[in-house]
Amino acid sequence: SQTIHQWPATLVQPVGSPLSLECTVEGTSNPNLYWYRQAAGRGLQLLFYSVGIGQISSEVPQNLSASRPQDRQFILSSKKLLLSDSGFYLCACQAGGTEAFFGQGTRLTVV
Amino acid sequence: EDQVTQSPEALRLQEGESSSLNCSYTVSGLRGLFWYRQDPGKGPEFLFTLYSAGEEKEKERLKATLTKKESFLHITAPKPEDSATYLCAVPLSGSARQLTFGSGTQLTVLP
Repeated sequence: SQTIHQWPATLVQPVGSPLSLECTVEGTSNPNLYWYRQAAGRGLQLLFYSVGIGQISSEVPQNLSASRPQDRQFILSSKKLLLSDSGFYLCACQAGGTEAFFGQGTRLTVV
Repeated sequence: EDQVTQSPEALRLQEGESSSLNCSYTVSGLRGLFWYRQDPGKGPEFLFTLYSAGEEKEKERLKATLTKKESFLHITAPKPEDSATYLCAVPLSGSARQLTFGSGTQLTVLP
């Protein structure tokens, strides 16, 4: 079964600073990869998904971007963070079946 | 519009007091319904997939059932360690790659 690694676990960044969150997957190949954001007490909002290297679909217009430079690597970035970018960011992997498996998340606080 | 609604938002039970969580959905051509457990500060942990009305899945004190319009997560004789937020999700009508999530039920089991 696949393992999803996300880092860092927590991050505090000033407004206007850049962001790079990385997600890597082990135990599978050619997975669908996802970035979700979860606000406190809310469900998960899909931000980006990718079905292959260099293929990115964006679900919500925003200050963030995503890239997939390798089959099992997915990166979430921003050039200039906003206060509203604070939240819990989750990487997920879907391989074979329709269920998705999640990493442990990154808690981002923009100050 | 595809929608997933979970109720109640929060549930407090005494240890051993059985209950059920509800997940209702509106989606054309259901291609699976997924239940997840999420502990505070962690990524969601996959529990069950249900594909057709009448299907049931069990894991320890949890049993998930599915009808044509909703799913129930029954918790029998819960223990404090069952305390978590329980999320359900379904694939969007147009794409099995994208899941839409409910807002979750926050379960607290008191000793």
